[in-house]
Amino acid sequence: DVKVTQSSRYLVKRTGEKVFLECVQDMDHENMFWYRQDPGLGLRLIYFSYDVKMKEKGDIPEGYSVSREKKERFSLILESASTNQTSMYLCASSGPRGGPNEQFFGPGTRLTVL
Amino acid sequence: KQEVTQIPAALSVPEGENLVLNCSFTDSAIYNLQWFRQDPGKGLTSLLLIQSSQREQTSGRLNASLDKSSGRSTLYIAASQPGDSATYLCALTSGTYKYIFGTGTRLKVLA
Repeated sequence: DVKVTQSSRYLVKRTGEKVFLECVQDMDHENMFWYRQDPGLGLRLIYFSYDVKMKEKGDIPEGYSVSREKKERFSLILESASTNQTSMYLCASSGPRGGPNEQFFGPGTRLTVL
Repeated sequence: KQEVTQIPAALSVPEGENLVLNCSFTDSAIYNLQWFRQDPGKGLTSLLLIQSSQREQTSGRLNASLDKSSGRSTLYIAASQPGDSATYLCALTSGTYKYIFGTGTRLKVLA
């Protein structure tokens, strides 16, 4: 079974803090994704990565950066957290390349920025 | 631009009923379509994936179909149970890495 884990289920941070959200997958997937989910807006793609050290912006990358130094790990960084980044953050992975690209999700991190 | 719509937004049914959830899309050039379930405050659980060349997939009481020509996928749930209560989302990709998600149907199965 594919397993995608996220470093925290709940996180509370203060405005201006630097925040790291980590995601690890154990299925050797090439592709990894970060989404945020807000009521009424659905899932929105922040960034995705199709290989180590490779990244592409999604629909709402402003205020976020990412890092993928190892294939299994994809980190989302909020350089200076703001209250409008309070949200549910979901990590996903998919693969293998050339295959059906089925996406598997982690349990989510509920981030509150005060 | 591909758009994905799920109607209705919410649905309540009595236990034991067979039901159909709908997912409509505007561009038939899709690579695959995936159905997910999401429980409150949790991540998404993959239910079924239909590749472009397939017409349907089945898993237990669930059956998903895909009709690209009409821009529609349906998720059929047989003999619904209270444990099926959740939000169901469809998502599709056109072959790039990017998935486009519907806004979901919130299902409540009444005991």
